[in-house]
Amino acid sequence: AQSVSQHNHHVILSEAASLELGCNYSYGGTVNLFWYVQYPGQHLQLLLKYFSGDPLVKGIKGFEAEFIKSKFSFNLRKPSVQWSDTAEYFCAVTRSSNTGKLIFGQGTTLQVKP
Amino acid sequence: DGGITQSPKYLFRKEGQNVTLSCEQNLNHDAMYWYRQDPGQGLRLIYYSQIVNDFQKGDIAEGYSVSREKKESFPLTVTSAQKNPTAFYLCASRDANRGRHRAQYFGPGTRLTVL
Repeated sequence: AQSVSQHNHHVILSEAASLELGCNYSYGGTVNLFWYVQYPGQHLQLLLKYFSGDPLVKGIKGFEAEFIKSKFSFNLRKPSVQWSDTAEYFCAVTRSSNTGKLIFGQGTTLQVKP
Repeated sequence: DGGITQSPKYLFRKEGQNVTLSCEQNLNHDAMYWYRQDPGQGLRLIYYSQIVNDFQKGDIAEGYSVSREKKESFPLTVTSAQKNPTAFYLCASRDANRGRHRAQYFGPGTRLTVL
């Protein structure tokens, strides 16, 4: 079945550690890719997006993600996490720019220890 | 202050009752979406609408219904036919007209609990 997989379900890091959250999708062809973040008690927010062009995209709060087409991956990275990065992170894919329908991964809960 | 509002924030329902969740946006977006979020499953698409008076089923539409009579409003009804309605429901919208490369923006959600 077509899907989006986030392999890390729960990640615990200390402040200043580097972060990489995995995201793989199983669709061929053109895709648009997103990372969303849900801070405790807050709305789901867009962190970054990839539509075309440079496969390394930069988002808000120092996050970046790299689209590797050959690996069907769109991993999220941050060189040095902060306690305020504690949140749930979702990778999402759309195959249709017209409808914008998103397929989400299961989510990764990140806990940063001060 | 532009954005998406959902009400109520918390909703309790007895088994066998229908309940309607509100979603309103003042972003002038044409497209609107309903998702449900369950722990460990991410978000799953229930219904979406790209234009007024038109909507399509998503991946888990059974037991739900929607209407889109106004551009700014996209209410979701959870019917008694929905077997497992307790969940967190998120509404989103997208500006589909200003080019194709637009992300969805989400409301604060409604947490529905069936007693």
